[in-house]
Amino acid sequence: DTEVTQTPKHLVMGMTNKKSLKCEQHMGHRAMYWYKQKAKKPPELMFVYSYEKLSINESVPSRFSPECPNSSLLNLHLHALQPEDSALYLCASSQDFQETQYFGPGTRLLVL
Amino acid sequence: KNQVEQSPQSLIILEGKNCTLQCNYTVSPFSNLRWYKQDTGRGPVSLTIMTFSENTKSNGRYTATLDADTKQSSLHITASQLSDSASYICVVSARTGFQKLVFGTGTRLLVSP
Repeated sequence: DTEVTQTPKHLVMGMTNKKSLKCEQHMGHRAMYWYKQKAKKPPELMFVYSYEKLSINESVPSRFSPECPNSSLLNLHLHALQPEDSALYLCASSQDFQETQYFGPGTRLLVL
Repeated sequence: KNQVEQSPQSLIILEGKNCTLQCNYTVSPFSNLRWYKQDTGRGPVSLTIMTFSENTKSNGRYTATLDADTKQSSLHITASQLSDSASYICVVSARTGFQKLVFGTGTRLLVSP
């Protein structure tokens, strides 16, 4: 298995909702990442997990809460989002910090 | 400041024709350079990766070049197909504690029948 999967593909939520994005990889990668991508812009790094521990938080608002339950899974919990948080959320993984990152297909989020 | 600039911003070519996309970077210390293809609303897919010592790397109809002295890279697409229509993103890694990726803004390619 050489891919990163993300669910759901699409998500529409209100500003008072709580939802979660999920990411999974079975390549044995020990580093996992969350990116946010607005239309026609490059991806922006949000979080980096290494060996299931949060290593980097790029000053992301607390309404985004990452979680790494095990080495294959990465979640992003969403609460009280704003319409400007609407974007494509990409998950990526790599063997370790220094290796190529493989991206998932993304979750397209719309906040109403 | 670490930056990656790509040109052109967008490009339309006829099916079967060749094209070349450009990437200039000011990322330091340089680790490697990747070209990704991203279809609309999908995650980026890696096409090539090159380190400092590599000048050229091919992947099917895609050929990437790297000039580490001038900090320039190009992606050449041969015999374009309709399925090549996508954004092509140049991504340069800085040799920090982790692979900090610096993304270019991409070139949007449309291959027309």
